[in-house]
Amino acid sequence: DTAVSQTPKYLVTQMGNDKSIKCEQNLGHDTMYWYKQDSKKFLKIMFSYNNKELIINETVPNRFSPKSPDKAHLNLHINSLELGDSAVYFCASSQEPGGPYEQYFGPGTRLTVT
Amino acid sequence: AQKVTQAQTEISVVEKEDVTLDCVYETRDTTYYLFWYKQPPSGELVFLIRRNSFDEQNEISGRYSWNFQKSTSSFNFTITASQVVDSAVYFCALSEVADSWGKLQFGAGTQVVVTP
Repeated sequence: DTAVSQTPKYLVTQMGNDKSIKCEQNLGHDTMYWYKQDSKKFLKIMFSYNNKELIINETVPNRFSPKSPDKAHLNLHINSLELGDSAVYFCASSQEPGGPYEQYFGPGTRLTVT
Repeated sequence: AQKVTQAQTEISVVEKEDVTLDCVYETRDTTYYLFWYKQPPSGELVFLIRRNSFDEQNEISGRYSWNFQKSTSSFNFTITASQVVDSAVYFCALSEVADSWGKLQFGAGTQVVVTP
């Protein structure tokens, strides 16, 4: 009965590969997010979808492409992985976009690029 | 530019001591929301509190308390009688209504280490 789940939890891959991270929420929320936490623990928004529509697209290399097949899922595909992509990626969801709504975070996916 | 500043990188205390984490924010919005999240060593992000800009009442939840002062743009967090389980990184975050579709802008976090 996990609220926000991510797969895989750990991902180790080589430079140049393409990989995907999946996120699912069972809270019935309309809005989902991807955040990146770097090695210094700094958290930064990457993307957000509301009802399957992209509403936030921060300055992220276009090697990163989010896809939302439905409101409950938001996947992150990364092409041509680079060493600097190594980080923990968190998915989150909220009832609607906007500050009044708490964001629930998934457990994170630790990506290591070698 | 960083909109949320957590100047304390790490705070070490002995169990039962009180610890206060500072958070200073910057925004031009009149309506905004402030949050605190906890990230224990296991890595998940745990929501602690949300406060809107129109509610300056301090809040207490068990051993946790928050002091919101708009005059100094601060939203500080105090853990009273700290316990080893409080060891974690604590993040303050800002959500601006006018701009951001609800994105959370996080501070750099403060690592709290509580030793027995």
